[in-house]
Parts: sequence; C-alpha cells; structure tokens
Amino acid sequence: NAGVTQTPKFRILKIGQSMTLQCAQDMNHNYMYWYRQDPGMGLKLIYYSVGAGITDKGEVPNGYNVSRSTTEDFPLRLELAAPSQTSVYFCASSYSQVSSYNEQFFGPGTRLTVL
Amino acid sequence: KQEVTQIPAALSVPEGENLVLNCSFTDSAIYNLQWFRQDPGKGLTSLLLIQSSQREQTSGRLNASLDKSSGRSTLYIAASQPGDSATYLCAVSRHNNAGNMLTFGGGTRLMVKP
Repeated sequence: NAGVTQTPKFRILKIGQSMTLQCAQDMNHNYMYWYRQDPGMGLKLIYYSVGAGITDKGEVPNGYNVSRSTTEDFPLRLELAAPSQTSVYFCASSYSQVSSYNEQFFGPGTRLTVL
Repeated sequence: KQEVTQIPAALSVPEGENLVLNCSFTDSAIYNLQWFRQDPGKGLTSLLLIQSSQREQTSGRLNASLDKSSGRSTLYIAASQPGDSATYLCAVSRHNNAGNMLTFGGGTRLMVKP
C-alpha cells in the first residue's frame, strides 16, 4: 500500500492564480481530511469528508473548496490564491468505524508559497 | 472550543538524557490523544495513540500518559538519541460527523545534541 499520497510536493503561485492540490489513499478509508500548517504552528482542519459525495467545512475553510467523487481521491482547490494561503498542506485519512482507536494517517504534505 | 497547548515550544538536551514533553487540553471530553513526530519538511508519523479509557501507552523508549480529568498528557523519551531530534505534536480527538476530528497543539521542537 502506498498509503496517503499528495501531489505536488512544492508549488509557487502568484496572487490570484488557482490550483488544485491532489490527495489519494489506497486504504479504502471513508474519512478524509485536509489540514494546513503554518510555520511553528500545529495543524488546522480546512475541510473533511465522511465518504464519496459528502464534504463539510472544518476550522479554516475560507478560500478553499473540495470535492469527493470517489473514495480514493480528495482534491483541495484554491480559487484565488492569496499570500495568507502560504502554508504546508497535509491530507489525512482514517477508518470509518466509530472507535476511540480511529487513527489518522497522513500524507507527506504540499508546500505552497503564494507571492 | 478545544485548545491544545504544548510546553516547552523548544527543547535542547544532551544525548542520553531522559526527557518529558507536555501537552494540555481544555476540554476533557476527548476520544483519544495522539502523539506525532514530524521531521523537517516531512509529514507526520504517529508515535502513540492513547484511548480515552487508557492511562498510558508504551512503544520502545517512548511512554505517553493521559490524565483526562486534569487535561494533561506527557510524552516521556528515555535515553534520548540525536535521531530523536524532530518536532513532536500532540493532538486530541472528539467524535463528530468527521470521525475523530483532531485538534493539534503547536508542537515541541526537540534537539538532542551528540
């Protein structure tokens, strides 16, 4: 299993440009998440999905959109990039069972700079 | 709203020392608590997960404890090595429609000097 994969690893955008961060998992997890991590800080939840066709906002959703057409893929879209979106973006997934042992598995991250 | 705090923000120790990293959270209604390791420019690696009904978990030189009533967790690293140098993050979960939604602390950046 490849686990959770993310592309690209690095990207530089100009203000106002758009891009899609890709995330895929091959563990048949229903739950998927997008986080951002600003320098020296913990991770904050942007959006999450509990299954194909179902998405919802997390703590910091403004400026982002997501879709979930398949169980495997959960892309994150930035429509009008702003310097405040410079961050490292992590995708994660977990099993669907309601369990106190429901561990999240993380991808390697995408480092995005908006200039 | 759940808030997670990690103290200290940075720590430098000589090789071989035993050390303790601290994590505190404001809402004791958690499902579990996870400790992660993050190497520079890398993703997160899960180290230990403590269920809310548990008091501690051990893995090799690592021991994590959980005191829900006081809103605290500690990560104990025995006989530290330079390879332990990394940022350590704790995260607490609460169950809602997002499965176990995680709230992260800001991390402790650990440097172990040879």
